Amino acid sequence: GAVVSQHPSWVICKSGTSVKIECRSLDFQATTMFWYRQFPKQSLMLMATSNEGSKATYEQGVEKDKFLINHASLTLSTLTVTSAHPEDSSFYICSANRDQNEKLFFGSGTQLSVL
Amino acid sequence: EDQVTQSPEALRLQEGESSSLNCSYTVSGLRGLFWYRQDPGKGPEFLFTLYSAGEEKEKERLKATLTKKESFLHITAPKPEDSATYLCAVNSGGYQKVTFGIGTKLQVIP
Repeated sequence: GAVVSQHPSWVICKSGTSVKIECRSLDFQATTMFWYRQFPKQSLMLMATSNEGSKATYEQGVEKDKFLINHASLTLSTLTVTSAHPEDSSFYICSANRDQNEKLFFGSGTQLSVL
Repeated sequence: EDQVTQSPEALRLQEGESSSLNCSYTVSGLRGLFWYRQDPGKGPEFLFTLYSAGEEKEKERLKATLTKKESFLHITAPKPEDSATYLCAVNSGGYQKVTFGIGTKLQVIP
């Protein structure tokens, strides 16, 4: 099956710093990648849709200036949490479709802890 | 707005004790219903996609079924390694619009 790699797996940072998370599709080209956030005991919530070569589409309530998304190639999307605060602590997961198949392949996730 | 409700929230089974997980959904035109398995601290792992009522899919000890209002994930003779959170999700619009349920946390005791 298709593989989506996400890095880092976990990160601890001080409040006010920025953190970059990478999501790569290893064996297929992903025109579109998706970023989700998951709080403990809650479902996955879509944050934004990352489109190669164009601006990301953000879901309602997600601050685009805080969560910067760059999708510079067909195999890499990055999410940068700018000026992170403790309330940004969460589990962030990326996913991608292969071609137009609706089945999503997920990265392993990144646990962000902001002190 | 699409809604996905999973029950129970948690389920504890003895090894070999078969059971079913439920996923009820409300969508404006189902394009696909997905089941995923998620281990602690990991991303979801794809299990099944169901597209129309009456469809069934199987994989090892798991069997997923679909009606017009709900889906069941049947687990036959579970083993401890089946312990995980099982997520249900639906797609009803553009391919990026996938709505997830909160999941059922399954624990299988030896």
